Amino acid sequence: GESVGLHLPTLSVQEGDNSIINCAYSNSASDYFIWYKQESGKGPQFIIDIRSNMDKRQGQRVTVLLNKTVKHLSLQIAATQPGDSAVYFCAEASGSARQLTFGSGTQLTVLP
Amino acid sequence: DTEVTQTPKHLVMGMTNKKSLKCEQHMGHRAMYWYKQKAKKPPELMFVYSYEKLSINESVPSRFSPECPNSSLLNLHLHALQPEDSALYLCASSQKKVYGHEQYFGPGTRLTVT
Repeated sequence: GESVGLHLPTLSVQEGDNSIINCAYSNSASDYFIWYKQESGKGPQFIIDIRSNMDKRQGQRVTVLLNKTVKHLSLQIAATQPGDSAVYFCAEASGSARQLTFGSGTQLTVLP
Repeated sequence: DTEVTQTPKHLVMGMTNKKSLKCEQHMGHRAMYWYKQKAKKPPELMFVYSYEKLSINESVPSRFSPECPNSSLLNLHLHALQPEDSALYLCASSQKKVYGHEQYFGPGTRLTVT
């Protein structure tokens, strides 16, 4: 399954399928990007980050892709599990600022 | 220990009350943050403390007053709040380094203003 972030804030996938969550960022000067997962009633939890000098980074079952040309970020989750159900936020930062700017979020629902 | 703790977990207060939210981290982080989050919305930055000094105030009303007593603690004092201030208040912390802005979030305080 695939979302287009701001325009389709809800994504439903079958358990075991791969998920792709998209994010369009706004600041061409942003040089650092993070994906957070937020489960109901909890604070955001760090998933993976990527710097602007990279276009791909892999973690455990997750991959982040960065396309600076079109200012697009995606999070791929392999073999999606029920525990992956949550809201996923992308966030961007630039330079030495300590300030993160969050995207609007995508609700991922994993169907049994 | 990669934990940020926040107390209380839930808070209900009237518009004339004074209350405080507390945040603590023991990761040696020197940047700490307050965010406000409404339901189904992303976190909105309110304040940033860097080395115990307020470095960013995102035009937050004065009924919210932050305080950083030391490098591990962050408070948010609340006074004369409005019902629209009801939200999840998140605290976060991060290391001071040139690259990487990974912020660790606490579980939040769910605030209801009646």
